[in-house]
Amino acid sequence: GAVVSQHPSRVICKSGTSVKIECRSLDFQATTMFWYRQFPKKSLMLMATSNEGSKATYEQGVEKDKFLINHASLTLSTLTVTSAHPEDSSFYICSARGGRGTDTQYFGPGTRLTVL
Amino acid sequence: AQKITQTQPGMFVQEKEAVTLDCTYDTSDPSYGLFWYKQPSSGEMIFLIYQGSYDQQNATEGRYSLNFQKARKSANLVISASQLGDSAMYFCARRSPSGGATNKLIFGTGTLLAVQP
Repeated sequence: GAVVSQHPSRVICKSGTSVKIECRSLDFQATTMFWYRQFPKKSLMLMATSNEGSKATYEQGVEKDKFLINHASLTLSTLTVTSAHPEDSSFYICSARGGRGTDTQYFGPGTRLTVL
Repeated sequence: AQKITQTQPGMFVQEKEAVTLDCTYDTSDPSYGLFWYKQPSSGEMIFLIYQGSYDQQNATEGRYSLNFQKARKSANLVISASQLGDSAMYFCARRSPSGGATNKLIFGTGTLLAVQP
């Protein structure tokens, strides 16, 4: 149990385009989902917290108009990187919390974004 | 800032031996949770073990155990009988303070473990 999927696993796009990343909890309902960014050989940096049916809460320094988050259902959250630029290239990873009443966050496999 | 400290950027261990990965944390909260995750080169974050601050016993999950010393604010991960597949990055994390927050995780900088045959 507690499986989280993420799609796509890898994406390469041109500068100026938008990219959507999906995060799904497959076998539990996720009341809260989190989006992280990870630079090479670095720790995870929380970008935002999304709760189903409400607006996401962004961490300080994260542009909410740049990184659009939608949590339309208890099993799906999406992150859209709008007008992507090379500096947005990174590893994006989501996690979901919920099910069995625990605080444990279960992570998706991540999406490697490369903006050319 | 309430942070998580992992002082070992990298560790070597011989296959079949035990290894301890250090983690210390800051907090003024009476109630908190501590987590360890494993991140292999593929990038996925794999949940290993959880310790609640009020848990009377140290957490164990198979070959993983947590040496929780509350007074010292440390939560070291012990991996027994290391296997080659244990080679990965290991992150310690703490659930952030409550009080309206949605239980965010604060991560340490990680320890890269290499298991040698």
